[in-house]
Amino acid sequence: AQRVTQPEKLLSVFKGAPVELKCNYSYSGSPELFWYVQYSRQRLQLLLRHISRESIKGFTADLNKGETSFHLKKPFAQEEDSAMYYCALSNNFNKFYFGSGTKLNVKP
Amino acid sequence: DAGVTQSPTHLIKTRGQQVTLRCSPISGHKSVSWYQQVLGQGPQFIFQYYEKEERGRGNFPDRFSARQFPNYSSELNVNALLLGDSALYLCASSLAGVRGSTDTQYFGPGTRLTVL
Repeated sequence: AQRVTQPEKLLSVFKGAPVELKCNYSYSGSPELFWYVQYSRQRLQLLLRHISRESIKGFTADLNKGETSFHLKKPFAQEEDSAMYYCALSNNFNKFYFGSGTKLNVKP
Repeated sequence: DAGVTQSPTHLIKTRGQQVTLRCSPISGHKSVSWYQQVLGQGPQFIFQYYEKEERGRGNFPDRFSARQFPNYSSELNVNALLLGDSALYLCASSLAGVRGSTDTQYFGPGTRLTVL
């Protein structure tokens, strides 16, 4: 069965510090992995997807199939990065499975 | 384009009642998905529709049903409401529901359902 685990409910870092939001998944096939972000009073929106291999707002994420992880990283956190982050998995039939989310709080 | 729109914004019902939630996708998007988000949890997949056909269903009871109209808008119906159905219901649209590929999903603001 598909499952996405985000072990941290809350992550607090200081501005300029590196940040890593953890995501582990379980899926028997070849999944697509995504990070979605929800800023305060805004809609859930796509941040990045693993197949794009791009950096958005300084964030990157590498799919590690051996460790079944898709951790989100940014070398220098900014206050505007404070938001709720969700890791999601798709089984290639447009069914998405979301983790429970990690709230990132970047302190000044 | 206003993006994905959902109505109503908030809704209060009592146990046993029925509710219909509505979603209008982004213009040109043919696929609509529904999610339930309970407080403190991530969205849980309920249904996906493409070209009026159900393409996927999550682990929800038969009290949950949906349909998609020729203009690609969609309705989610929940019968015999339970207290546990209280949640934010999200709709997401995507360009196409091609099997074997995954399109970017664009989410609406959600409908907050409270069951008393």
